[in-house]
Amino acid sequence: DIQMTQSPSTLSASVGDRVTITCRASQSISSWLAWYQQKPGKAPKLLIYKASSLESGVPSRFSGSGSGTEFTLTISSLQPDDYATYYCQQYNDYPRTFGQGTKLEIK
Amino acid sequence: QVQLEESGPGLLKPSQTLSLTCTVSGGSISSGSHYWSWIRQPAGKGLEWIGRIYTSGSISYNPSLKSRVTISADTSKNQFSLKLSSVTAADTAVYYCAREGYDILTGYLGFQQWGQGTLVTVSS
Repeated sequence: DIQMTQSPSTLSASVGDRVTITCRASQSISSWLAWYQQKPGKAPKLLIYKASSLESGVPSRFSGSGSGTEFTLTISSLQPDDYATYYCQQYNDYPRTFGQGTKLEIK
Repeated sequence: QVQLEESGPGLLKPSQTLSLTCTVSGGSISSGSHYWSWIRQPAGKGLEWIGRIYTSGSISYNPSLKSRVTISADTSKNQFSLKLSSVTAADTAVYYCAREGYDILTGYLGFQQWGQGTLVTVSS
């Protein structure tokens, strides 16, 4: 299985901050990476696919980059609605695997 | 807009078989550009992909669960289902069904739509 490791596990930030979350794959996954946002009691929501493509309807303050084994999700200016847990997920191979999550908290 | 909804028993005893159904509305599971998955999440933990079906008949399972999992589809009802045998407390989780998009030019597009999730508890 391809292991996905996110850092940090928890991140404290203020409204308006620029935030970056990192995801590393245990082997190259080309650009086959997605990012999701999950709020308590809700299903995950797709934000980014193919490492850097913004899903329809997702605000442009979200962006993704990277290829191979290292990827980042950036929120350019944190909004109150962005406090949530974020997951990366690889779809280069089966089984599909997720990172352990990064919880974004209010500072 | 495609919607997915999970249904099934919320409480099981150890050794029983978990059976869940995902009903899809607003689109056909027989469309050639989507794959239909089950994903679970224990309370306070991360996401685990269980398996997926493509209605041409192609099925993939997570090797960690493969010996206990069966995923099937009923295109006449626009549903797909999950069976997980010999459950233990470790199988207690919220179970999601999800649609993975595919585009012939772009490739896979991630899990674009999710059901709201259903909590399954295994307890004696």
